[in-house]
Amino acid sequence: QKEVEQNSGPLSVPEGAIASLNCTYSDRGSQSFFWYRQYSGKSPELIMSIYSNGDKEDGRFTAQLNKASQYVSLLIRDSQPSDSATYLCAVNRGQGGKLIFGQGTELSVKP
Amino acid sequence: GAVVSQHPSWVICKSGTSVKIECRSLDFQATTMFWYRQFPKQSLMLMATSNEGSKATYEQGVEKDKFLINHASLTLSTLTVTSAHPEDSSFYICSAYSAGEQFFGPGTRLTVL
Repeated sequence: QKEVEQNSGPLSVPEGAIASLNCTYSDRGSQSFFWYRQYSGKSPELIMSIYSNGDKEDGRFTAQLNKASQYVSLLIRDSQPSDSATYLCAVNRGQGGKLIFGQGTELSVKP
Repeated sequence: GAVVSQHPSWVICKSGTSVKIECRSLDFQATTMFWYRQFPKQSLMLMATSNEGSKATYEQGVEKDKFLINHASLTLSTLTVTSAHPEDSSFYICSAYSAGEQFFGPGTRLTVL
């Protein structure tokens, strides 16, 4: 079992729809959770970080964390073609900032 | 915001040569920097953790003698790929750790002929 797993893609949604990206992790000691967006040929950029159970909203993005279920998700409302990218889930187990990345989910938003 | 630079952004070299990649935190100090490698259509793979003033910690399966890391100051870490071969061709990305977050550099595309 991989430490961080994401739902397989690619995920295709129409413009204006809600895109739902999911991630599970295996280590219950994990403390911090991050969603990164990566465009082709570019390095990752941080979208959201979440540390406690519940929802965290930032504009069109909502991160959800459920530590009991070891599950973290990212919702993108009113999806735009510019949201088309690979989304990476990352987990910090508190070891000096070391991140474990999932394999990424490719999102395609169709106009 | 926190800015991390990498140099060069891309490099093409012949097999057997060594290549040095620099990672700099421009507006903050980072005691810890991380080096990742990413192959096409794959996720980031952590290669090593670089701590200022001490030896780097390498992940399992990463050859420390091939990928030399030096963290000489709080704003600079370097990765040297020694005796590079075509299988080392990849996208190398560094990140600098500060205040609970990692800030990524723009990456270096290495192509070994």
